[in-house]
Amino acid sequence: KAGVTQTPRYLIKTRGQQVTLSCSPISGHRSVSWYQQTPGQGLQFLFEYFSETQRNKGNFPGRFSGRQFSNSRSEMNVSTLELGDSALYLCASSLGSYTGELFFGEGSRLTVL
Amino acid sequence: GEDVEQSLFLSVREGDSSVINCTYTDSSSTYLYWYKQEPGAGLQLLTYIFSNMDMKQDQRLTVLLNKKDKHLSLRIADTQTGDSAIYFCAETNAGKSTFGDGTTLTVKP
Repeated sequence: KAGVTQTPRYLIKTRGQQVTLSCSPISGHRSVSWYQQTPGQGLQFLFEYFSETQRNKGNFPGRFSGRQFSNSRSEMNVSTLELGDSALYLCASSLGSYTGELFFGEGSRLTVL
Repeated sequence: GEDVEQSLFLSVREGDSSVINCTYTDSSSTYLYWYKQEPGAGLQLLTYIFSNMDMKQDQRLTVLLNKKDKHLSLRIADTQTGDSAIYFCAETNAGKSTFGDGTTLTVKP
């Protein structure tokens, strides 16, 4: 069974640009969550999508947005990038049954210059 | 809001037992998890415990839960150099997971 796939793995952007990250969950998983990981802030929850609907949301500004498609694939977008957005963005999929058992991808490492 | 705290670093000798501790605040957490992150990789689920359990053993891993004190621990028996990684404790309630900052385990040969 294929795991969670995130693309791209690495990317470099400049301040003010926008970026779109993609996540393909494990087949059959309907929930996709996104996390931001930085050395200073640890693992911060961004949002969770289940069956194309945002079910949970963390405390991030509106520049961070996401969506989920009918095949459960998800994208997150960050607009007007800031230096502080440099981080590892992790996607996790689950069956969505509220058990919290998450399967993580390897992440997309974003560097903002 | 929910909060999960862990000590940041732990160093042990190969063959010793490692104990990683975690405290959480959400008394309505239904599931508590331990994840492992190796360099350059995402998090990997190690084990979990339901909130109505006190202990769970899974090969070299033992999870202890003290629900009264909201304290969770992960014991790794016979720690190996391959166990060197960052270990995250997480609580889950209504589908939302809150993670600790992670404990970096260093295993010295």
